[in-house]
Amino acid sequence: NAGVTQTPKFRVLKTGQSMTLLCAQDMNHEYMYWYRQDPGMGLRLIHYSVGEGTTAKGEVPDGYNVSRLKKQNFLLGLESAAPSQTSVYFCASKHQGYEQYFGPGTRLTVT
Amino acid sequence: EDKVVQSPLSLVVHEGDTVTLNCSYEVTNFRSLLWYKQEKKAPTFLFMLTSSGIEKKSGRLSSILDKKELFSILNITATQTGDSAVYLCAVDTGTASKLTFGTGTRLQVTL
Repeated sequence: NAGVTQTPKFRVLKTGQSMTLLCAQDMNHEYMYWYRQDPGMGLRLIHYSVGEGTTAKGEVPDGYNVSRLKKQNFLLGLESAAPSQTSVYFCASKHQGYEQYFGPGTRLTVT
Repeated sequence: EDKVVQSPLSLVVHEGDTVTLNCSYEVTNFRSLLWYKQEKKAPTFLFMLTSSGIEKKSGRLSSILDKKELFSILNITATQTGDSAVYLCAVDTGTASKLTFGTGTRLQVTL
């Protein structure tokens, strides 16, 4: 099993550009999550999904959109990137009742 | 607003020392408390605690939860340089198993 994978690992964007981060899991987990991690702020939840075709807002959803068209994939989109979105993005997945498994992260810089 | 506070923020110890990391929480709905270790990349799971007073143990690491006083501790005995990492505490607040994270304790173990 590859576990949770994220694509890309690194990306540099200019302000106003758009991009999509891909998260994939091969553990048949129902729940998936997107977090951002900033220095001194810990991990903050952006959006989450409790199943295929469903998504919901987390703590810091502004400027992001998500989609979960297939159970194994959870996409995070930035429509118009801003410097405040410079961060490390982590995806996680889980079965109900168990711990969250995290992907390796995507380091995004917006200039 | 749900809140998880970890202390100390950072800690430097010598190899062989014992350390205690603290996590207190104030949340509207508590399901479980989790500890993760984060080195360079993805957080990796250590413990999930749901009941007060029952110690979870894995090798040199152990953790316990006090649901009355709303805190948990993570103990590491006979520390090694490989224990150097950021230790994250998170509370599962029940709804879709969303996690609220603390900012972490950065542990550095020196020779």
